[in-house]
Amino acid sequence: GAGVSQSPSNKVTEKGKDVELRCDPISGHTALYWYRQSLGQGLEFLIYFQGNSAPDKSGLPSDRFSAERTGGSVSTLTIQRTQQEDSAVYLCASSYPESYANTGELFFGEGSRLTVL
Amino acid sequence: AQKVTQAQTEISVVEKEDVTLDCVYETRDTTYYLFWYKQPPSGELVFLIRRNSFDEQNEISGRYSWNFQKSTSSFNFTITASQVVDSAVYFCALSDTGRRALTFGSGTRLQVQP
Repeated sequence: GAGVSQSPSNKVTEKGKDVELRCDPISGHTALYWYRQSLGQGLEFLIYFQGNSAPDKSGLPSDRFSAERTGGSVSTLTIQRTQQEDSAVYLCASSYPESYANTGELFFGEGSRLTVL
Repeated sequence: AQKVTQAQTEISVVEKEDVTLDCVYETRDTTYYLFWYKQPPSGELVFLIRRNSFDEQNEISGRYSWNFQKSTSSFNFTITASQVVDSAVYFCALSDTGRRALTFGSGTRLQVQP
């Protein structure tokens, strides 16, 4: 597709289980970002990838959260031993460095809604 | 630390009214960027504008205009002659020029009634 694709769109899991959320950025976009949107905390930055490297992962809330990116394309956000406070919409965004430098535009996906029971 | 405040949680207007969404920010950085994003019901954030801290010139794009005032640390967004399609949540955001991470405000939900 032409846009940022995220899967699953909805995920319900039980407390203590691990979950994986996937992001497929726009083709050619080397920069990829994960954000979390929750009722209590609003929109929070989690991690930024440039290619397969993560120069900024300062927003990951705990060591239960990890993310990787392979082939400079698809990224997976993994949450281990999920807690109820992890319930949120996880948003992925991508950008092309040159166009980002010019305009600052990020392209967001529709998000993955995670509910931890 | 950076902070963005959008004091208006929800605004309701009737179509064709003008509406201004307020954004106040705090940063210790001397150079920074300010942004506005729109989040329609589908969920994806849509980029509207980025402003560099050096450029205080107001911006107009069709029915949209932005007023950046460093003296009051504000970056307000005005929609002229609002339309139903403008109904969405609008987020103001801030980043310093050395980082890619955005600090978002809590958002303002705009409802435009026909």
